[in-house]
Amino acid sequence: DAGVTQSPTHLIKTRGQHVTLRCSPISGHKSVSWYQQVLGQGPQFIFQYYEKEERGRGNFPDRFSARQFPNYSSELNVNALLLGDSALYLCASSLGLATYNEQFFGPGTRLTVL
Amino acid sequence: GDSVTQMEGPVTLSEEAFLTINCTYTATGYPSLFWYVQYPGEGLQLLLKATKADDKGSNKGFEATYRKETTSFHLEKGSVQVSDSAVYFCAPANSGGYQKVTFGTGTKLQVIP
Repeated sequence: DAGVTQSPTHLIKTRGQHVTLRCSPISGHKSVSWYQQVLGQGPQFIFQYYEKEERGRGNFPDRFSARQFPNYSSELNVNALLLGDSALYLCASSLGLATYNEQFFGPGTRLTVL
Repeated sequence: GDSVTQMEGPVTLSEEAFLTINCTYTATGYPSLFWYVQYPGEGLQLLLKATKADDKGSNKGFEATYRKETTSFHLEKGSVQVSDSAVYFCAPANSGGYQKVTFGTGTKLQVIP
């Protein structure tokens, strides 16, 4: 079975640009979460979507937005990029919202903002 | 809000040494507790979990016990191998309408032959 997939693998943008990152969850998983991992730090929660609805949002500015499609895939959008947005963006899928559900992580998208 | 304090790294051990990575957390309610691992060049993956007090999670020789009274979830392994070299993250998951997962800063473990 395929795991969580993310695209693209790497991305280079300049300040002020916009970026869209994509994620496909494991088949049967209805929840997708997005995390930002800065080098040397743990992942920071950005969003969680379940059944196409936003269920949780972390402490990130409104420049960050996301959506989930009927096939449960998801996009993360970041507008007006800043140098500080350079990070590894991780997508994770899970069966549901219960705290005991394991999250399965994709390989990530490495975003570099110049 | 929820927070995690994790042992600072890097931790360097000789092969077959005993490993402890300390983790304490602050959370409202009754979180589930996870340890995730990130091997070099690989994605984040679950190592073990525990969902209620006094539960012991175990996998690949690693163990951690859910200690509610001390809000701790320390990771241990009796005899580490070179292949255990990785970054380890402690992560409580709380409820709030969604999976509120809070990751620690990570502890890098290097095992030398």
